[in-house]
Amino acid sequence: ETGVTQTPRHLVMGMTNKKSLKCEQHLGHNAMYWYKQSAKKPLELMFVYSLEERVENNSVPSRFSPECPNSSHLFLHLHTLQPEDSALYLCASSQGTGRSGNTIYFGEGSWLTVV
Amino acid sequence: GQQLNQSPQSMFIQEGEDVSMNCTSSSIFNTWLWYKQDPGEGPVLLIALYKAGELTSNGRLTAQFGTTRKDSFLNISASIPSDVGIYFCAGQRRTGTASKLTFGTGTRLQVTL
Repeated sequence: ETGVTQTPRHLVMGMTNKKSLKCEQHLGHNAMYWYKQSAKKPLELMFVYSLEERVENNSVPSRFSPECPNSSHLFLHLHTLQPEDSALYLCASSQGTGRSGNTIYFGEGSWLTVV
Repeated sequence: GQQLNQSPQSMFIQEGEDVSMNCTSSSIFNTWLWYKQDPGEGPVLLIALYKAGELTSNGRLTAQFGTTRKDSFLNISASIPSDVGIYFCAGQRRTGTASKLTFGTGTRLQVTL
């Protein structure tokens, strides 16, 4: 148990569906992240939120839409995805301050399959 | 984006053997992290290194932050079957109050009895 909880753990969706991934962190952290992990590729940073404000968007297509309503919750809204978007989507958080503020903790991930 | 050079890509070892893997970068990082990922799960933090030259242990795991701040290694002593998984290094820079991780390509470890 890392203190970062993701739901659902598995999701299968059609290309015309709209779905959302949810992340909640119980660590009192100030920054939250979405990463994508595809087969045989390094983890790719998608979005970074710090103090509920988006500070980084790594050229992610608009069919992925993040939302951070407060410092404990992060969503990834999915719309008209493509089969190549099938991957493990990982949420993470970090304290943001202090010596260990760099340390990022991951959730267990949401497996997404687009059919 | 930038990647870290992590080696070896995969290892097949016998239970009880020691393991060593490393990461190198052309850039300097403020922090080095080592994660382990089991199939179908998210990466779990093993060791965090915050200072150049720092040597840190966590049970049978030992990691060091290179003095040039461009490399790090992870050693696992007396491997056991549950050590199986993919090990990732990550270098980190601060971006305001958030952090930017650059991941290595991973080392896949298989342990045979």
